[in-house]
Amino acid sequence: NAGVTQTPKFQVLKTGQSMTLQCAQDMNHEYMSWYRQDPGMGLRLIHYSVGAGITDQGEVPNGYNVSRSTTEDFPLRLLSAAPSQTSVYFCASSKQGRDQPQHFGDGTRLSIL
Amino acid sequence: QQQVKQSPQSLIVQKGGISIINCAYENTAFDYFPWYQQFPGKGPALLIAIRPDVSEKKEGRFTISFNKSAKQFSLHIMDSQPGDSATYFCAAPTGGGNKLTFGTGTQLKVEL
Repeated sequence: NAGVTQTPKFQVLKTGQSMTLQCAQDMNHEYMSWYRQDPGMGLRLIHYSVGAGITDQGEVPNGYNVSRSTTEDFPLRLLSAAPSQTSVYFCASSKQGRDQPQHFGDGTRLSIL
Repeated sequence: QQQVKQSPQSLIVQKGGISIINCAYENTAFDYFPWYQQFPGKGPALLIAIRPDVSEKKEGRFTISFNKSAKQFSLHIMDSQPGDSATYFCAAPTGGGNKLTFGTGTQLKVEL
């Protein structure tokens, strides 16, 4: 049981490039989300999904797109990378329900030059 | 938007001591307050959680104390160990569904 798998673990991009961060879970969880973690700012919600075909914006969605074509996968796309998007990105999944624990991947460390 | 204020930003405790991390929230409509623990290079993982119908929840050396009138909750780590050195995040529900707002994190170091 792999849990939540994120790829790649590290990535360096140039300003203006685009890329997709992959996230897959094998727990059949309905809810999936993307966070970014920056020093002194905690974890901030970028986008989330309550099921296949349904996505919505979180606290900091600008510059990012998501899609949810299957229950298992929830990729995050950077459309035109900017230095302000340098961060560590975490994907999480959980069963539906406010008291359900969120299971996090080990993150993607992204640097934009 | 639910705001969660966490303090301190960093904490150094001697082995065997008590570590205390505090969080304050704004919206009283919600009913679930988790703490997550994160080790370097890893994602956060649920440590312990509390519902506000109780004032305290204990799991091993970890205790959450909840003060509903003050809109505050705190994590106490008793007999702190070097293996407890990690970053700790409190969180509170935001809006509907599973959305959480996280505090800014506390970096705990337990020294020998």
